[in-house]
Amino acid sequence: NAGVTQTPKFRVLKTGQSMTLLCAQDMNHEYMYWYRQDPGMGLRLIHYSVGEGTTAKGEVPDGYNVSRLKKQNFLLGLESAAPSQTSVYFCASRRTGQGYYGYTFGSGTRLTVV
Amino acid sequence: AQKVTQAQTEISVVEKEDVTLDCVYETRDTTYYLFWYKQPPSGELVFLIRRNSFDEQNEISGRYSWNFQKSTSSFNFTITASQVVDSAVYFCALSGVIQGAQKLVFGQGTRLTINP
Repeated sequence: NAGVTQTPKFRVLKTGQSMTLLCAQDMNHEYMYWYRQDPGMGLRLIHYSVGEGTTAKGEVPDGYNVSRLKKQNFLLGLESAAPSQTSVYFCASRRTGQGYYGYTFGSGTRLTVV
Repeated sequence: AQKVTQAQTEISVVEKEDVTLDCVYETRDTTYYLFWYKQPPSGELVFLIRRNSFDEQNEISGRYSWNFQKSTSSFNFTITASQVVDSAVYFCALSGVIQGAQKLVFGQGTRLTINP
């Protein structure tokens, strides 16, 4: 089982360029999340989705857009990258329903904006 | 609002010492879950433990132990006889319903360095 796969793993962008990070999960999970990790600030939620075709803002959504056209994929877009978006990005997914279901994380994408 | 605070930004100890990582949380939910994750230098997040709000039993797993106290809203993590391989960033996290959806809120992380 692949679990949660993030592509790419590394990327360097110039200020003003655009890019899309892809998160794919093969567990049929309803919930998907995008986090960014910065030193001393832990992981902060950017956007999340509770199901196909739905997205919502998290704690730090500015400068990012997301789409969930297919249940298994959650895309994070940067329309005009800024140095402040240099970070490590993690995607996670989770099943819904009664009881406990754990979070499955991808291995992260390290993005540098110069 | 849900919040997790890890007041210790960095800890450095000598190998074989015991070390405790503190975690304090805030939530209005009666049902929630607490987690600890380890992030080694390779960067991935490694799940260590989950505890639900109705289970205050302490847990021991090898050299690791966790102390959950609802009265003080704390979920502390102790490593006994630390080893160099324990060097990592450790995150405490809280899962609950925020604005109608399940979300995971992380603390700031504690960077633990074990010196030989």
